[in-house]
Amino acid sequence: DTGVSQDPRHKITKRGQNVTFRCDPISEHNRLYWYRQTLGQGPEFLTYFQNEAQLEKSRLLSDRFSAERPKGSFSTLEIQRTEQGDSAMYLCASSPPGTGETIQYFGAGTRLSVL
Amino acid sequence: AQKVTQAQTEISVVEKEDVTLDCVYETRDTTYYLFWYKQPPSGELVFLIRRNSFDEQNEISGRYSWNFQKSTSSFNFTITASQVVDSAVYFCALSSIIQGAQKLVFGQGTRLTINP
Repeated sequence: DTGVSQDPRHKITKRGQNVTFRCDPISEHNRLYWYRQTLGQGPEFLTYFQNEAQLEKSRLLSDRFSAERPKGSFSTLEIQRTEQGDSAMYLCASSPPGTGETIQYFGAGTRLSVL
Repeated sequence: AQKVTQAQTEISVVEKEDVTLDCVYETRDTTYYLFWYKQPPSGELVFLIRRNSFDEQNEISGRYSWNFQKSTSSFNFTITASQVVDSAVYFCALSSIIQGAQKLVFGQGTRLTINP
């Protein structure tokens, strides 16, 4: 049973470039979440998918950010025209089907550095 | 609005000492869930425990124990006989139910260092 997988683990880019991250959830987990974690802070919720539907987006997710989960399996998070303030760890989590609350299992994250 | 406060930014103890990590939360929901996660240097958040708002029983798992008190809105975490491998950042989190699943609100974390 593999865990949540994120790729790449590290990304260094220049300001203004576009970047895309990938998250592969645990098999049969229909719920997928993206969080952002800056240095010394706890993760902050960005967005949530149930199957392929994006059901919730945080105000943190500006127009430069877009997330997709086209077939209800893996998800991508794209940041366009990156800014230095986008430098952070981007964490993906998944949780199994069920009513109400379920446990979220996290990947190791993608660390983005914008120069 | 929901909020989680972990007032202890860093804690450093010597191995085998007991250590308690504090967590205070704010919510207007009557039904909610509390969590603790561990984040080792590798970066992955490791789930430790989940508690729902109706279950105030304390829980013990090996050297780990949790004290949930609704009266003080606290969910504290104690490690007994700490070990170097316990060194990590620990996060307390509160869930908010949206669209049938939860969004986690995290505290700022407590960096725990266990010295040999």
